[in-house]
Amino acid sequence: NAGVTQTPKFRILKIGQSMTLQCTQDMNHNYMYWYRQDPGMGLKLIYYSVGAGITDKGEVPNGYNVSRSTTEDFPLRLELAAPSQTSVYFCASSLQGAEAFFGQGTRLTVV
Amino acid sequence: ILNVEQSPQSLHVQEGDSTNFTCSFPSSNFYALHWYRWETAKSPKALFVMTLNGDEKKKGRISATLNTKEGYSYLYIKGSQPEDSATYLCARNYGGSQGNLIFGKGTKLSVKP
Repeated sequence: NAGVTQTPKFRILKIGQSMTLQCTQDMNHNYMYWYRQDPGMGLKLIYYSVGAGITDKGEVPNGYNVSRSTTEDFPLRLELAAPSQTSVYFCASSLQGAEAFFGQGTRLTVV
Repeated sequence: ILNVEQSPQSLHVQEGDSTNFTCSFPSSNFYALHWYRWETAKSPKALFVMTLNGDEKKKGRISATLNTKEGYSYLYIKGSQPEDSATYLCARNYGGSQGNLIFGKGTKLSVKP
C-alpha cells in the first residue's frame, strides 16, 4: 500500500519557470490537500479538494493552481515561480473529517 | 478568523518529565480537532482525531482532551522519552467546509536524556 506519493522529491527552478508537483493516493480518499511548510510557520494550506472536480482555496493560494480530475490525483501547478515559493510542499489525503495521511514532501528552491 | 494557536512554541524537558501543550481554536462551527506528531525530516503522522466535547483519547503515554465549547485541546505526554522529541501539531476542521484543515504552528518538544 503506497499511501500518498509525491514527485519530485527535490527541484530547483529558475524565477519565472513553471512546474507541476504531482500527488497521487491509493486509499480512495475523497479529501486531498496541498500544504507548504515555511520555517517557524508550520503548515499553511494552499488548496484543498473534497472530491473529483471540486477544489477550493486555502490560506495561501496566490501563485498556485490545482485540478482534481480523478479521485487519486491532485497536482499543484506553479505558473511563474518566484523566490517566495521556495518551500517544502506536502500533499495529504483523508476521508471526511478523519486523519490526514501525508506524502514525503517536495523540497522546491526557486533561484 | 480560522486561526489555530498552539503554546508553548518550544519546550525543553528532561527524560522522565511529564509535559503538556495547548491548542486553542475558534469554537464556532466546529467539526473535528486533530493532533499530529512531526519528526524532523519526516512527514506528519496522526496521533488523534477528536470530534465530541469532552473527548479524551490515549495512545500509550500520550493522551489528549477536547473542549469544543471554550475552544481548546490539551496534549499530555507522561514520562517523556528522548524518542518523543518532535514537533506536535494540532489542526481543525470546520463544519460546512471540512476540507479546510487548518494547522497551528506547532510545539517543538526536545527531551534530554
